[in-house]
Amino acid sequence: GIQVEQSPPDLILQEGANSTLRCNFSDSVNNLQWFHQNPWGQLINLFYIPSGTKQNGRLSATTVATERYSLLYISSSQTTDSGVYFCAVLNDYKLSFGAGTTVTVRA
Amino acid sequence: DTAVSQTPKYLVTQMGNDKSIKCEQNLGHDTMYWYKQDSKKFLKIMFSYNNKELIINETVPNRFSPKSPDKAHLNLHINSLELGDSAVYFCASSQEWDRVAFFGQGTRLTVV
Repeated sequence: GIQVEQSPPDLILQEGANSTLRCNFSDSVNNLQWFHQNPWGQLINLFYIPSGTKQNGRLSATTVATERYSLLYISSSQTTDSGVYFCAVLNDYKLSFGAGTTVTVRA
Repeated sequence: DTAVSQTPKYLVTQMGNDKSIKCEQNLGHDTMYWYKQDSKKFLKIMFSYNNKELIINETVPNRFSPKSPDKAHLNLHINSLELGDSAVYFCASSQEWDRVAFFGQGTRLTVV
């Protein structure tokens, strides 16, 4: 099956810092989503992004499907950004998830 | 209005018992899924249904039986629960299989 790799596995940020999370995938995919799992365990949709760039407030994402990667940018991080960020790719009727990046934002 | 809702949110039960988790979506989607998140937070597909028909059964033990009475519901029944079944189970739905998926709040199952 398709392999999804996320980096880094862990990220500690000072409030106000910027960061970039990366997602590499091993095969062509029909689509890609980024999720945030908050400390209460909820999986929140961030972006549905098969290609190109999207922005939502302090977050933005870019997917380059031909090179099989996607990036998630967090700018001016806040403590509420803490949690696990998952990249998931759509192929063959299912989402295949990466192992996630655990982000901790310190005040 | 909750788009994808699961009940119960927490479930603690003894080994060998049978339990069910219910899932309902009010988004009018025709594809629904069950995912399992293990203790290392890794998420993996278990089942995928499209228009009440099973599309994917990702080598899940047959103690797990999904049931879709209609397009808005996908319930998960688990027989003879084992310690290794302890995990968080997420239900999700999407308009079609390749469109954005929305997840429920999860059911934390603990088998003791």
